[in-house]
Amino acid sequence: GIQVEQSPPDLILQEGANSTLRCNFSDSVNNLQWFHQNPWGQLINLFYIPSGTKQNGRLSATTVATERYSLLYISSSQTTDSGVYFCAVESWGGSYIPTFGRGTSLIVHP
Amino acid sequence: NAGVTQTPKFQVLKTGQSMTLQCAQDMNHNSMYWYRQDPGMGLRLIYYSASEGTTDKGEVPNGYNVSRLNKREFSLRLESAAPSQTSVYFCASSEEVGFIGYSPLHFGNGTRLTVT
Repeated sequence: GIQVEQSPPDLILQEGANSTLRCNFSDSVNNLQWFHQNPWGQLINLFYIPSGTKQNGRLSATTVATERYSLLYISSSQTTDSGVYFCAVESWGGSYIPTFGRGTSLIVHP
Repeated sequence: NAGVTQTPKFQVLKTGQSMTLQCAQDMNHNSMYWYRQDPGMGLRLIYYSASEGTTDKGEVPNGYNVSRLNKREFSLRLESAAPSQTSVYFCASSEEVGFIGYSPLHFGNGTRLTVT
């Protein structure tokens, strides 16, 4: 099946800093999603982005499908951005079932 | 709309006991999924149901069974719980597996299960 790797595994920031999270995948995908898991364990869909760039407030995401990676940008980070960020991909090899990476754990200090 | 509802939120079992985790969605989605989350492992697929009346194994199906009761409900059963099944379980739904178009995954709030 498809392999999904996220980096870095852990990230610690001061409030106001910017960061870039990366998701690499081993095969062609027809869909890619980014999720935020908050400290209470809830999983929130941030972006549905099989290709191109999308922005939502301080967050933006870019997927370059031909090069098999996606980036999540967080600008002017806030303590509420803390949590774990996951990417999930859907591919023909994976029967189009969402396959998750291991996540990036982000801590934003005030 | 409630979205995806999971019950219970917490459960403690003794080795060998059985239980069923319940999941219901009110978004008229065709596809439903059960994932487990363990520290450092991301979310791993246990079983999924592409549509009402079908179920298929995922990456880690051993020790589990599922039932797609109707379009809304998808339950996960542990017949004889083991300590290795201590985990957080998430149910999710989407429009349809392989849907061409906007079909994001919606999650329930999870069930934290401890097996002693």
